[in-house]
Amino acid sequence: DVKVTQSSRYLVKRTGEKVFLECVQDMDHENMFWYRQDPGLGLRLIYFSYDVKMKEKGDIPEGYSVSREKKERFSLILESASTNQTSMYLCASSSQPRGYTFGSGTRLTVV
Amino acid sequence: DQQVKQNSPSLSVQEGRISILNCDYTNSMFDYFLWYKKYPAEGPTFLISISSIKDKNEDGRFTVFLNKSAKHLSLHIVPSQPGDSAVYFCAASSPGGTSYGKLTFGQGTILTVHP
Repeated sequence: DVKVTQSSRYLVKRTGEKVFLECVQDMDHENMFWYRQDPGLGLRLIYFSYDVKMKEKGDIPEGYSVSREKKERFSLILESASTNQTSMYLCASSSQPRGYTFGSGTRLTVV
Repeated sequence: DQQVKQNSPSLSVQEGRISILNCDYTNSMFDYFLWYKKYPAEGPTFLISISSIKDKNEDGRFTVFLNKSAKHLSLHIVPSQPGDSAVYFCAASSPGGTSYGKLTFGQGTILTVHP
């Protein structure tokens, strides 16, 4: 089975801190995605990547950046964390445009 | 602009009865639809999918129906079990090209199945 691993299940950070969320997949998938999940808003796409060093903005990229230096790793960066970035962050990977495998998520709280 | 909408935030059903979760979409370019199930503190897991060339797909207790003219799909769970209690997300994708397999998700519906 494809495995998508997110480095932290729970994180608490202070306002203004730089935050790194890491995601690693083990099945050589080309496409990787970062979503955030908020009640009543569903899953909203922040950024995605279709190849090493390639990235595309999703629907809500403001306040975030990403890095993909290796095929298996896709990092989400909060340059200066704010309280409105408190959320559940979900990473996913896919080898073809028909469905994802998700990680377990990182619950980030910014205080 | 919400292209995939799940208008029912929650649904409560009795064990053994049918659960029907609904989803509407606005983008006529969507050609593949999926349902994901999510338990608290876990990532979503794939449940069932349907291509736009079909109107029904069945997998055990789960059946997805697609009405292209109405831009509507539904997930039927029969019989419902307490373990089905979770958040269900509808998702849609466009054919290849520059979408890179990007999925657009609905807001989710919380299903509670009572014993």
